[in-house]
Amino acid sequence: QKEVEQDPGPLSVPEGAIVSLNCTYSNSAFQYFMWYRQYSRKGPELLMYTYSSGNKEDGRFTAQVDKSSKYISLFIRDSQPSDSATYLCAMSAYQYNFNKFYFGSGTKLNVKP
Amino acid sequence: SQTIHQWPATLVQPVGSPLSLECTVEGTSNPNLYWYRQAAGRGLQLLFYSVGIGQISSEVPQNLSASRPQDRQFILSSKKLLLSDSGFYLCAWRETSGRTNEQFFGPGTRLTVL
Repeated sequence: QKEVEQDPGPLSVPEGAIVSLNCTYSNSAFQYFMWYRQYSRKGPELLMYTYSSGNKEDGRFTAQVDKSSKYISLFIRDSQPSDSATYLCAMSAYQYNFNKFYFGSGTKLNVKP
Repeated sequence: SQTIHQWPATLVQPVGSPLSLECTVEGTSNPNLYWYRQAAGRGLQLLFYSVGIGQISSEVPQNLSASRPQDRQFILSSKKLLLSDSGFYLCAWRETSGRTNEQFFGPGTRLTVL
């Protein structure tokens, strides 16, 4: 079983739709959760960062973490064509000297104008 | 503010040739440094990580090696490239001075081995 599972998509939505992206994980020690946006042929860009459970909102983006279900989500409101990209979830457990990060395989999102 | 640089941006190399990819980080001290490879349509594979100068750990046995000659410099090398070494190589860093645990990526190097 993979440490992190993510539906690869592709996910195609009309402009203005609410997008829901999800990941599940198996390691209950994970405390730090991240979402990255990666445009084609570019490096991943850190979009959202959360610690432990709960919600975090930043503009049109909301990250949710449910540690009891080992499930994280990223919601995008009022989606725009510029949101078309691959979204990677990532997570880790805290260690003082070094942290290893575990990534989902990415969900490709296409927002149609 | 912190920035991360990688070069070259793209590289086309023949099989059997050597490789050297460089990554530098600015604006931080003693970061954790990472090399990943991303194959087309696939996730990120951790290749090497480093917690300090001269300290390299390998995740996957392969045709590549890494070195950290300076605190904020990370180099990925190969003596003889294979076709299977083609991919998108990403350098990343993580700050170690606080309790945050964010990892930041460079722009990547696209390597094609022919």
